Amino acid sequence: AQSVTQLDSQVPVFEEAPVELRCNYSSSVSVYLFWYVQYPNQGLQLLLKYLSGSTLVKGINGFEAEFNKSQTSFHLRKPSVHISDTAEYFCAVGDSGGGADGLTFGKGTHLIIQP
Amino acid sequence: AAGVIQSPRHLIKEKRETATLKCYPIPRHDTVYWYQQGPGQDPQFLISFYEKMQSDKGSIPDRFSAQQFSDYHSELNMSSLELGDSALYFCASSRSGWGSNTEAFFGQGTRLTVV
Repeated sequence: AQSVTQLDSQVPVFEEAPVELRCNYSSSVSVYLFWYVQYPNQGLQLLLKYLSGSTLVKGINGFEAEFNKSQTSFHLRKPSVHISDTAEYFCAVGDSGGGADGLTFGKGTHLIIQP
Repeated sequence: AAGVIQSPRHLIKEKRETATLKCYPIPRHDTVYWYQQGPGQDPQFLISFYEKMQSDKGSIPDRFSAQQFSDYHSELNMSSLELGDSALYFCASSRSGWGSNTEAFFGQGTRLTVV
């Protein structure tokens, strides 16, 4: 069984400040890890993913995340946020066995950018 | 580039009615996933199909059924609708599961409101 914990339901940050959104996972097998962003009334857009290889993953819109196996974490970071980054961010875990298994999502973190 | 198309975008039904949601995957994608996202909730995996066969099943109620057709589009059928079924229903598609170089793309969702 897999689970994802996003420790913060809301993160307020001032514009141009750095941000970190935390994600911890648990799984009995090797995993794939994802971060999705959801803008109001929109679908889910993939920001980045970790499948294997380098533990530092770079995604779109200046975001990056680091896979830490010992701490079972996959925190998302951005060095300088913009008003347009205001959205809901979901961390998700998938079974590295591949196939068509569904992802398990965290509860989401609402990133609020303050001017 | 073509994306995942879901129809309708919005649907209002009364309790105990039935609803059918449609999902048209990206061309050459053979895997479809359905998710339910309640108000303020994280997306919950319902069911997935690979090559027209059910591949994985999540928290899908018995009142719901789904299938994938020969052209790879999928339909989610929901009967005896309840107020609690009001949610955003996402479809995602990928090519042969989540593995290695596979990315799943989400549609914009169908917002179902049961009154």
